[in-house]
This record gives sequence, structure tokens and C-alpha cells, in this order.
Amino acid sequence: AQSVSQHNHHVILSEAASLELGCNYSYGGTVNLFWYVQYPGQHLQLLLKYFSGDPLVKGIKGFEAEFIKSKFSFNLRKPSVQWSDTAEYFCAVHTGGFKTIFGAGTRLFVKA
Amino acid sequence: DVKVTQSSRYLVKRTGEKVFLECVQDMDHENMFWYRQDPGLGLRLIYFSYDVKMKEKGDIPEGYSVSREKKERFSLILESASTNQTSMYLCASIPDSSNQPQHFGDGTRLSIL
Repeated sequence: AQSVSQHNHHVILSEAASLELGCNYSYGGTVNLFWYVQYPGQHLQLLLKYFSGDPLVKGIKGFEAEFIKSKFSFNLRKPSVQWSDTAEYFCAVHTGGFKTIFGAGTRLFVKA
Repeated sequence: DVKVTQSSRYLVKRTGEKVFLECVQDMDHENMFWYRQDPGLGLRLIYFSYDVKMKEKGDIPEGYSVSREKKERFSLILESASTNQTSMYLCASIPDSSNQPQHFGDGTRLSIL
């Protein structure tokens, strides 16, 4: 069955630390990949997306993600986190049709 | 900017009640979705609709039904609410192209007592 795995459920970092959130998916065909973010009390919103082309994609607020096809991975990175990055992050994979599969989410807490 | 509006942020209902959750989008999107979000499980698709009066089951449709009488409105119905349906419910929409990012509402936190 198709699935999306996020490696960490909870991450705690200090401000200015570097961030990497892992995401792996199980599907052998063409995929579209997304990272969504949900700030406390707010709705889910798109952070970045990959459809094709350069496997390193840049999103809002200094986030980037790298698609490595051979590893079925789409890890999210940020060189230096801020307190305002405290949120829950969801990796999502669109495999065709109308279905998008979401990972379980990673809660990031950044200490000021 | 796309606006997806869910009728209630918080809702408390009793076991056995029939519950309606409403969602309206203002961007003429063809496709609308209902998810439930539970800690450690992420978002799970309950139902989606790709056109007026058209609906498809998602991964966890049991105990739920939906209605799409108008393009902008997609309703989720809990026929007879049970405590295991206590959850956060999220509505989302996308335009015609099905691989586009989804636009989410603020969510409805539903508690079934």
C-alpha cells in the first residue's frame, strides 16, 4: 500500500539550529511532493512543492526540500530555525487521481 | 487568495446525534475533500467530491456521508455520532487539476460525549 513515513514525531531545537525533517514514501511511479505547515491555531498551508525539474526546491520562510528519487525521499531543511517556526509539518505525496497521502506529521518546537 | 470556510471551530455533540459539518470555498474549485486529523496519524481522507452531486469514498468513510448540492459547499454528515469520531475535521479544496496543492479550512474540533 502507498504510504508516507515521517521519521520524527517530535523535534525540539534551539533557535539558530539547523533543521532536517525526514520524509519517505512508498510508490514506484511518478509523484508530486508537498510539505505543508500548520502553525498553532492556524490552518494547514503549503510550504513548498515539487512537480518536476530541479530536485532541490525552495519554499517560503527559508525552507527547502530535496527530492531524491532513488531513496524515495523528500526531506525538509532549514539552515537556521526561528522561534516562529514552531509548528507541525506534514509531508504529502500525490500519486495520481485525486488522492494525496499525508504523513503522520512532525511537531517542531523551537526554544527561544 | 482562496478562502475555505468551515462553519464551526469547535463543536460538542452527544452520542447518537446526527451531526453536520459545513464547508464553503470561494474560488470555484471543482474538487473538495474531508479529512480527519488525529495525533500520530496525520490526515486521513474520509470522502472527496469532484463535482456537484459526485462523491467518492476515501480511506475511512465508515460512519460518515457527504453532500455536495452546490459547487461551493461540501457537507460532512455523521449519521449517528460515536465517541470514536471525536477528532479534528479538515475541509480542503483544489481546482480542476488534481495534483495542485490543497487549500485548507481552519478545521472543526468535534467532541462527541
